[in-house]
Amino acid sequence: DIQMTQSPSSLSASVGDRVTITCRASQSISTYLNWYQRKPGKAPNLLIYAASSLQSGVPSRFSGSGSGTDFTLTISSLQPEDLAAYYCQQTYSTPPYTFGQGTTVEIK
Amino acid sequence: QVQLVESGGGVVQPGRSLRLSCAASGFTFSSYGMHWVRQAPGKGLEWVALMWHDGNNKFYADSVKGRFTISRDNSKNTLYLQMNSLRAEDTAVYYCAREYDYDGTRGGAFDIWGQGTVVTVSS
Repeated sequence: DIQMTQSPSSLSASVGDRVTITCRASQSISTYLNWYQRKPGKAPNLLIYAASSLQSGVPSRFSGSGSGTDFTLTISSLQPEDLAAYYCQQTYSTPPYTFGQGTTVEIK
Repeated sequence: QVQLVESGGGVVQPGRSLRLSCAASGFTFSSYGMHWVRQAPGKGLEWVALMWHDGNNKFYADSVKGRFTISRDNSKNTLYLQMNSLRAEDTAVYYCAREYDYDGTRGGAFDIWGQGTVVTVSS
């Protein structure tokens, strides 16, 4: 199975800061990488698919990049409503479609 | 609107069974692969199972293989998860999710999620 490793596991940043979360796959997954946001008490929400495609309705301050084994989710200007856990997921291989362990974003 | 609604969760003793349902509305259910994903308390997201749109293929996480069965009734727009031989480590919020197959080759992305149903396995 493909393993997904996210870093950091948590971070604290101020409103307006640029925030970067990384995700590394244990083998090449081309661009079959998705990012999800999970706010407390809510279902996960798709932010980015195919490594860099912004899902409809998602604010443009979210962006994704990368290919192969290394990927990045960037929030260009952190907002209070971005308090959440963020997960990467690979859908390259035959299932299991593994998730990273998650990154918790806190607002200073 | 496009919606998934899970039901069937509850408190169950170890070794017993439970069946979860996921009712879909607002889209052509029979055109989409459907997944179950869970999140245990204090843990991250864990993919559980997939059934293709036509029901011809099923896949499971190793942690549930042989105990859980995914199925669907396209005439009722409903996805199911039959959970047998439940263990304490199956305690989680269970979500159903729709797969958006954006390029028709490998896996897609989970673009619609239900609100989740809570399963607690405890004596």
